[in-house]
Amino acid sequence: AQSVSQHNHHVILSEAASLELGCNYSYGGTVNLFWYVQYPGQHLQLLLKYFSGDPLVKGIKGFEAEFIKSKFSFNLRKPSVQWSDTAEYFCAVNADSSNTGKLIFGQGTTLQVKP
Amino acid sequence: SAVISQKPSRDICQRGTSLTIQCQVDSQVTMMFWYRQQPGQSLTLIATANQGSEATYESGFVIDKFPISRPNLTFSTLTVSNMSPEDSSIYLCSVEDPPGLRSGANVLTFGAGSRLTVL
Repeated sequence: AQSVSQHNHHVILSEAASLELGCNYSYGGTVNLFWYVQYPGQHLQLLLKYFSGDPLVKGIKGFEAEFIKSKFSFNLRKPSVQWSDTAEYFCAVNADSSNTGKLIFGQGTTLQVKP
Repeated sequence: SAVISQKPSRDICQRGTSLTIQCQVDSQVTMMFWYRQQPGQSLTLIATANQGSEATYESGFVIDKFPISRPNLTFSTLTVSNMSPEDSSIYLCSVEDPPGLRSGANVLTFGAGSRLTVL
C-alpha cells in the first residue's frame, strides 16, 4: 500500500535556526507532492506543491522543498524560521491520476519555534 | 480558493447514536472529499462524493457506517452511524481548487473540520 513517512514528529527550534523536515513516500510511479500546514486554530492550507519540472519548488513564507525521485523524498526546508512558523506540517502524495483529490498524508510534524 | 463551511464544529455524542456533518461550499464543485483525522494520526480519505452519483468509498470505509449525500454542487453531508469511541475524530470536508487559481488545479482546500467525541 502507498504510504508517506515523516521522520520527525515533534521539532523544537529557536528563531533563526534552519529547518528541514523529512518526507518519504512509497510509490514508484508518477506522483504529485504537497506540503500542507496547519497553524494553531486555523484550517489546513497549502504550503507548496510539486507536479513536474524543476524539482526545487518554492512556496509561501520562504519555504521550499526538493523532490528527489531516486530517494522517493520531498523534504521541506526553510533557512531561518520565525516564531510564526509554529504549526503542524503535513506531507502528502497523490498517486492516483483518476482521483486527484485522494491524498495520502504523512503523520504530521509539530514544529515549535521558540522566540 | 473555495470557502468551506462545516457544521457542527464540534460535538459530544453518545455511543450508538448517529451524527450528520454538513459541508457547504461557496462555489460549485464536481467532487467533494471527506477525510478523517483520528487522534494522533494522519488524515485519511473516507470517500469521494460526486453530485448525482453514489459516493466512492476507500478501503476500510463502508456506506452503512458513513452514508454520504450530495444533493447539489455546493453541499454534502457525511453521517457517522452507530458511533463508538473509536469514531472520535476530526472529520474534514475538502474540495479541489479550480484551474486558473494561483494554487493550480488538483490542490485541495479544507474546511475547518468537525471534531467529534464519542463517549
